[in-house]
Amino acid sequence: NAGVTQTPKFQVLKTGQSMTLQCAQDMNHNSMYWYRQDPGMGLRLIYYSASEGTTDKGEVPNGYNVSRLNKREFSLRLESAAPSQTSVYFCASSEHPGQGLNEQYFGPGTRLTVT
Amino acid sequence: QQPVQSPQAVILREGEDAVINCSSSKALYSVHWYRQKHGEAPVFLMILLKGGEQKGHDKISASFNEKKQQSSLYLTASQLSYSGTYFCGTEWTGANNLFFGTGTRLTVIP
Repeated sequence: NAGVTQTPKFQVLKTGQSMTLQCAQDMNHNSMYWYRQDPGMGLRLIYYSASEGTTDKGEVPNGYNVSRLNKREFSLRLESAAPSQTSVYFCASSEHPGQGLNEQYFGPGTRLTVT
Repeated sequence: QQPVQSPQAVILREGEDAVINCSSSKALYSVHWYRQKHGEAPVFLMILLKGGEQKGHDKISASFNEKKQQSSLYLTASQLSYSGTYFCGTEWTGANNLFFGTGTRLTVIP
C-alpha cells in the first residue's frame, strides 16, 4: 500500500497563476482532508470531505476550491495564486470522519511557493 | 479555537522523560497526538476519546482530563528517534475535523 500520495512534491507559481494539487489514498478511507502548514502556525484545515460526494469548509478556505473526484481522490485548486498561499500543503485521510478512533494518515506534502 | 501547547520547545538527554501539554477552551470529544520530523509528514501517535477509549503507540502514553479539557503526552526514557515536533489536534463534540496546536519541538541529544 502506498498510503496517501500527493503530486507535485514542489511547485513554484507566479501571482495570479492557477494550479491543482492532487491527492489519492489506497486505504479505502471515507474521509479526506487538505491542510496547510506555515512556520509557527501548526496545521490548519482548508477543506475536508467527510465522505464521497460531500465537501465542507475548514478554518482557512478562502482562495481555494476542492473536488472529491471519487472515494480515492481529493484535489485542491488554487484559482489565482497569491504570495500568502506560499505554504506546505498536506493531504490526509481517515477511515471515517470524527467522533471515534479515527486517526488521520498524512501524505508527504507539496511545497508551494508563489512569487 | 486552536489548542494551546506547552512547552514550545524542550531539549532532553537520552533516557530523560518529558511531558507535553495541550489545552482547549472548548469541550472536547477527542484529542489526537502526532509527531512530525523535519521535512516529513505528521505521523499518528495516540488518540484519546472522551469516556476513556484510546488507541495508539505502545511505547507512548497520554492522558485526557475531560473536566479541564486538557491532554498530556508522556515520553519516558527518551531515545534519539523521539526528536521532532509534536502536535496535538483537538476535536469538539459533533465536529468532523481537528484543530491543531502550534507544536512542541523536542530535541533529544546523546
